[in-house]
Parts: sequence; C-alpha cells; structure tokens
Amino acid sequence: DQQVKQNSPSLSVQEGRISILNCDYTNSMFDYFLWYKKYPAEGPTFLISISSIKDKNEDGRFTVFLNKSAKHLSLHIVPSQPGDSAVYFCAARVGAGGTSYGKLTFGQGTILTVHP
Amino acid sequence: NAGVTQTPKFRVLKTGQSMTLLCAQDMNHEYMYWYRQDPGMGLRLIHYSVGEGTTAKGEVPDGYNVSRLKKQNFLLGLESAAPSQTSVYFCASSSRDRRYNEQFFGPGTRLTVL
Repeated sequence: DQQVKQNSPSLSVQEGRISILNCDYTNSMFDYFLWYKKYPAEGPTFLISISSIKDKNEDGRFTVFLNKSAKHLSLHIVPSQPGDSAVYFCAARVGAGGTSYGKLTFGQGTILTVHP
Repeated sequence: NAGVTQTPKFRVLKTGQSMTLLCAQDMNHEYMYWYRQDPGMGLRLIHYSVGEGTTAKGEVPDGYNVSRLKKQNFLLGLESAAPSQTSVYFCASSSRDRRYNEQFFGPGTRLTVL
C-alpha cells in the first residue's frame, strides 16, 4: 500500500521554463509534507516543506502547493536551471502523536532533467 | 560540523556473509533512521531509534538488526547477507522538537551482495 505516490518517473524541461513535480497521498493523517532533492552518489537534502494548515509555501525559485481535498501536492521550480537536474522525492509525516517519532513516508521519486 | 556520516561508502559481500554499517551524527539529534533505496521504490524505512538504547522496526525490517548504544551512533547489521539486500543504504537523523521537521541524511552506502 503506497501511501505517497509520485506517478511520473521522469520529467524533462528546458532551462528557464517551469518544472512541476507532482505527488499524491492517501493517508489523511499526514500533517506535514517535505520535498527532498538527491544528486547521484549523495544523500537526499531537504528542499522545502509545507504544513497541512497551509496551501502554499514559497522559497526563492521553489514553491510547494498543497490541495488537501484532492490529497495532492506539487513542487514548482521557476525558472528551472541545469543544476536543478536531480531526483526529487516528496515525503509526508503523520500528525502529532506519541508514536510518529518524525517518521517520513517517501514517494518513489521523479528524475528531473533540465536541458540548457 | 560534519552532519551525518556513514561508513563504509561501498561494500561487496558474498551471500551469507555478515557486516555492520555505521552511522554517526554530531547534531545531538534524538531520532535516527535507516533506509534502503531501490530503483522505483523510493526510500523505505528499515529500523529507527528514538533514543539511546531504543530501537523499533520500520517498513522493511526483515534480515536486519540495529543497535544504538550511544546517542550519536546508529548501527545497521546484516547477519547473513542475501542478494535481495543489494541496495543503497541511507542513515538519517532528526530532532525530537516538532518545530524542526526535516531529517538530515548521510551520503549513503552502496552494498552489493553476490
């Protein structure tokens, strides 16, 4: 049972254009969502996050949108740069409670390629 | 401040051999995690620890054991390696403070079991 899904294994965009990465989830107990970026031979690094009480969070070129009714979130990168080429994982955390312990559930990842 | 470090970076084992992966963090985090990453599967939680001396099973714990004798270290053991355990293993840590939600990851260990 995949609770967090990234249905697009890969995405290719031109430099300067917008990249939109999508993520769907099924567990309504998730209260916090994160995006991680991963370069080859490195560990994932945190990119941006959003609480379930918000519908948008922006940080420079990166914006995450959350649609709770649709159980869908997306990451927008504008403008895209060749250095953004990486694997992007979305992740979700179950809400406040004694047993969540910060555990994250990850999607399968989307490979983003930005062409010069 | 090194963050999260993992030892070794690469390892090749034969079926049935054992090994231990070491994770260390210098951020004084309470929580630590071991994941495996396989193509098309994302990151799956193997075991985690919420404090020194405590461990718990994650999503895919079979074939692995862990120990957290010191707060800064989290060890992952394979007692009898199998080809299905060929993967990239990541360790992560996070604060118990829910104001800080992100996990910090190590660089990974690429393990091949022949």
